[in-house]
Amino acid sequence: GEDVEQSLFLSVREGDSSVINCTYTDSSSTYLYWYKQEPGAGLQLLTYIFSNMDMKQDQRLTVLLNKKDKHLSLRIADTQTGDSAIYFCAEPAAGNKLTFGGGTRVLVKP
Amino acid sequence: DTAVSQTPKYLVTQMGNDKSIKCEQNLGHDTMYWYKQDSKKFLKIMFSYNNKELIINETVPNRFSPKSPDKAHLNLHINSLELGDSAVYFCASSRGDSSYTFGSGTRLTVV
Repeated sequence: GEDVEQSLFLSVREGDSSVINCTYTDSSSTYLYWYKQEPGAGLQLLTYIFSNMDMKQDQRLTVLLNKKDKHLSLRIADTQTGDSAIYFCAEPAAGNKLTFGGGTRVLVKP
Repeated sequence: DTAVSQTPKYLVTQMGNDKSIKCEQNLGHDTMYWYKQDSKKFLKIMFSYNNKELIINETVPNRFSPKSPDKAHLNLHINSLELGDSAVYFCASSRGDSSYTFGSGTRLTVV
């Protein structure tokens, strides 16, 4: 199947933590990705996790992977106004294409 | 040095016209892609090429024709543009199933 699912919207206060959740479909995916899209801009690779890892930390970003449940999450610590964007999770599929979730729009309130 | 560059950034055209979007990557990747992002921000693959060979052709109207003159370039030509073609088109490249890099997008508006 090709349904990568994410919640649509997240509102968070500046300084709090944000958690964005994603469920994916292919248990054989080697990598799973998080992309960020700011308004009017392109897709920026935020981070990725290799499938043999449970967790990856990169500065304010923490990625958690639960392969049993096919669940991926992205935690942003100390969320800033510059973190307001749409966040997409993505998994590789047949032909090396990326299948994207529908995107989670994160709004950071001061 | 831009890794994946696509031109133009904006394209406004009338219905029925034919237009092209160009894409170039300087990363030495072997696979290139075109994705379409609709007004609801949903991203969907259109085409992928590996070393100039068509690998993926999703359910895309025949009016869309990709062309890859070499593995660093993947252009998209669209004939007889329709209102529903209005979207943001992203070019991307990868090495296998890793190192995906996206261009900054081309916002196509058909009037």
